[in-house]
Amino acid sequence: AQSVTQPDIHITVSEGASLELRCNYSYGATPYLFWYVQSPGQGLQLLLKYFSGDTLVQGIKGFEAEFKRSQSSFNLRKPSVHWSDAAEYFCAVGGLTGGGNKLTFGTGTQLKVEL
Amino acid sequence: NAGVMQNPRHLVRRRGQEARLRCSPMKGHSHVYWYRQLPEEGLKFMVYLQKENIIDESGMPKERFSAEFPKEGPSILRIQQVVRGDSAAYFCASSPIQANGDEQYFGPGTRLTVT
Repeated sequence: AQSVTQPDIHITVSEGASLELRCNYSYGATPYLFWYVQSPGQGLQLLLKYFSGDTLVQGIKGFEAEFKRSQSSFNLRKPSVHWSDAAEYFCAVGGLTGGGNKLTFGTGTQLKVEL
Repeated sequence: NAGVMQNPRHLVRRRGQEARLRCSPMKGHSHVYWYRQLPEEGLKFMVYLQKENIIDESGMPKERFSAEFPKEGPSILRIQQVVRGDSAAYFCASSPIQANGDEQYFGPGTRLTVT
């Protein structure tokens, strides 16, 4: 069964500092990996996704993520965090498993940005 | 192009009542997924539907929960005889076709409170 682990429940960074959010996955085949962001009381917005090809993926809002098969990781990074990036971030793994493309989510990382 | 619509955004029900959550997918999308987010947790897959068909309901509780996606109209998630443990945010997502790693577009969610 597929699973996703986000080991950091809460992270606090200063505005302008760099950010890395960790994500490890377990999946029996080539995974399809996603990062979503959720602002309070809102739905989920896709930041970026990895299907195949270049292992460094660029997303919206200046985010990027790197797929490392050997480490089963898909960490999210941003060189310089803005106060508006404060939100909850979810890593997810998906792929056709005989019954659709359902996503398995991690438990999320809450990002706080200090001014 | 309107996004995924969910209504109501907030729903309060007393224990024992029925809750009906509606989801209108994006135009041209024929695949609908429902997820539940309990407090302090990530999203958990519930059910995957296509028009007039339930494809995968492996995440649905065995009792009291049902879902449909009729030929015309929105997808409905129905919870009968609600209990306090059903209090959660319920998110609907849609995608255009069933393809590997197709992106799912999420609605804003319905926040159900059972009193």
